[in-house]
Amino acid sequence: DSGVTQTPKHLITATGQRVTLRCSPRSGDLSVYWYQQSLDQGLQFLIQYYNGEERAKGNILERFSAQQFPDLHSELNLSSLELGDSALYFCASSPRGNAADTQYFGPGTRLTVL
Amino acid sequence: AQSVTQLDSHVSVSEGTPVLLRCNYSSSYSPSLFWYVQHPNKGLQLLLKYTSAATLVKGINGFEAEFKKSETSFHLTKPSAHMSDAAEYFCVVSLSNDYKLSFGAGTTVTVRA
Repeated sequence: DSGVTQTPKHLITATGQRVTLRCSPRSGDLSVYWYQQSLDQGLQFLIQYYNGEERAKGNILERFSAQQFPDLHSELNLSSLELGDSALYFCASSPRGNAADTQYFGPGTRLTVL
Repeated sequence: AQSVTQLDSHVSVSEGTPVLLRCNYSSSYSPSLFWYVQHPNKGLQLLLKYTSAATLVKGINGFEAEFKKSETSFHLTKPSAHMSDAAEYFCVVSLSNDYKLSFGAGTTVTVRA
């Protein structure tokens, strides 16, 4: 158990809908990362937050947004969902958000868009 | 730019025999290198990491990896495979001037009894 929690574990929804994925980092970690894992694209970095502020952006679509709250939990919002958004979404956390930090991954949220 | 190439998409070994998973990276800066393992329907777990200290890195569950700058490689090995090692393994690079991780495509390991 990494100490990172993600809810929900599974999410099934329809095209055009909007969903919110939630992540609670390990106790003491200030940085949160979001990743998408799909069969055709592999594991891709989406976005990173550090202590409430956006620090780095990866291949995140404009339909997707995220935020980190004062209690350090984070939410990833996915809107106008398409079939291709079906994937496993991971959250990870690290103490300082530096390049050499170990990132601890949550169990993931499996999103299915029908 | 940075990239990670895992040279084998699938490796099959017999229980008790050595495992070798190959990884090459390209980067213009000093990298931090990681190996993560993902068991079916689970999140990713860190096996080991290199951050410019000793070039031979020991990790959990008997795994180790050697950083070879001249070959830009970070291959993962284990002397004796166990059935529980069946999983997907990811080689990952992080640059000193960047915050994101770049993942290789993954190597699926199957262990034959």
